[in-house]
Amino acid sequence: DQQVKQNSPSLSVQEGRISILNCDYTNSMFDYFLWYKKYPAEGPTFLISISSIKDKNEDGRFTVFLNKSAKHLSLHIVPSQPGDSAVYFCAATSNTGNQFYFGTGTSLTVIP
Amino acid sequence: DAGITQSPRHKVTETGTPVTLRCHQTENHRYMYWYRQDPGHGLRLIHYSYGVKDTDKGEVSDGYSVSRSKTEDFLLTLESATSSQTSVYFCAISGPDRERGKSYEQYFGPGTRLTVT
Repeated sequence: DQQVKQNSPSLSVQEGRISILNCDYTNSMFDYFLWYKKYPAEGPTFLISISSIKDKNEDGRFTVFLNKSAKHLSLHIVPSQPGDSAVYFCAATSNTGNQFYFGTGTSLTVIP
Repeated sequence: DAGITQSPRHKVTETGTPVTLRCHQTENHRYMYWYRQDPGHGLRLIHYSYGVKDTDKGEVSDGYSVSRSKTEDFLLTLESATSSQTSVYFCAISGPDRERGKSYEQYFGPGTRLTVT
């Protein structure tokens, strides 16, 4: 069973608008969450993370929101740029930081 | 960019043959990981290492073994390759804050595309 789920395989957004990527998890032991971006034929690159003691973390155009009661997190990209077009993975781990669980990814296309 | 290389980058092999993939880092980080990426599954952890000769299983470890005799190298071995192991394999290392328990982001290598025929 997938413990981290990204239910939207793809998303298209106009340049300059907000992109919102969603992620749900089932394991209440998860307490650290990460977002990665992946271009074709490359390895994933780390974007932003959030600990369960926070409900928001911001880094430039990227903001991650965590709703623990709903077991839901989202990544907001504002404003979206064509270079943001990639596959985005969310991931989760517990406080041991050893086992990581990834979602299936959302392919974001930013239309110029 | 974190100094992580993977070799080979592409490999085609036959069912039943052993295959070893190599991950090499120049960052001297303690934690290293092997993942596989498949459509519909995202990335799944195969094995990880928390130091020389210290390894543990991940979510999908069956059919795989690993070894870490030096800090910089983490090897993934498919003892007898099967078609279900056709995949893209990624190695990752944790950042320097991992050992202080401050953050858990990982830095990935470029991947190895393995095809088992």
